[in-house]
Amino acid sequence: EDQVTQSPEALRLQEGESSSLNCSYTVSGLRGLFWYRQDPGKGPEFLFTLYSAGEEKEKERLKATLTKKESFLHITAPKPEDSATYLCAVQAYNSGYSTLTFGKGTMLLVSP
Amino acid sequence: DTEVTQTPKHLVMGMTNKKSLKCEQHMGHRAMYWYKQKAKKPPELMFVYSYEKLSINESVPSRFSPECPNSSLLNLHLHALQPEDSALYLCASSQSGQYTEAFFGQGTRLTVV
Repeated sequence: EDQVTQSPEALRLQEGESSSLNCSYTVSGLRGLFWYRQDPGKGPEFLFTLYSAGEEKEKERLKATLTKKESFLHITAPKPEDSATYLCAVQAYNSGYSTLTFGKGTMLLVSP
Repeated sequence: DTEVTQTPKHLVMGMTNKKSLKCEQHMGHRAMYWYKQKAKKPPELMFVYSYEKLSINESVPSRFSPECPNSSLLNLHLHALQPEDSALYLCASSQSGQYTEAFFGQGTRLTVV
C-alpha cells in the first residue's frame, strides 16, 4: 500500500527564516510526486510535479527536490503570505488510472 | 488558465434533502475527480471519471451519486446524507488519467444538519 508521511506536522518560522519540509514515501513504482499549497477552507493549489530522483523545480521562494525515498520543499526567506498547509501526494497507478495518495500535510505559519 | 469552478461554495442541507454539487472546467481535461476532505485531514478520493465514464468508485456509499454529463461538467448528487458527511468536497481535473497533475477547484463546504 502506498504511504506518504510528511514532517513536521506544523512549523512556525519568522519572516526571512529559511527551512525545509519533508515528504517521505513508499510506493510500488513512483509515477509522480506532487506538492500542493492549501489555504484554510480552499482547494489545494498545484505547485510542482517531480517524476524522477534528482529532479528539482523552483517557483519564487519555493524549491522542490526528489530522491528515491523522499522529497523536500525548501522555503527561502519566507513571507507571511507563505503561511498555508503544504500537501505532498504520490501518484499511484490504479486500474489504469492515476490517483493521488496525500500525506497529512505540514501547516506552516510565518510570522512578521 | 488552470481554473476548476465549483458551485455552490457553501451548502447546508437536511438529512432528507436532495441536492447537487457542480463542477466545471474548460481546460480540455478528460479526467475529473471528486475528493472529500474533513477538517485537518488530507483529501480522500471518492470517484474518478475518464472520458466521461466512471472509472473508479472508492467504495463510496450510494447516497453519493456522481454524474458526468459531458467532458467539461461533473456533478455529485446528494441524497439522505448523514451529519458525518459534512466536509469540504473538492473537484479536480487532469489532462488524462495518467501521469499528469490534477488541478483542484475551491471546494464546496457541505454541512448536513
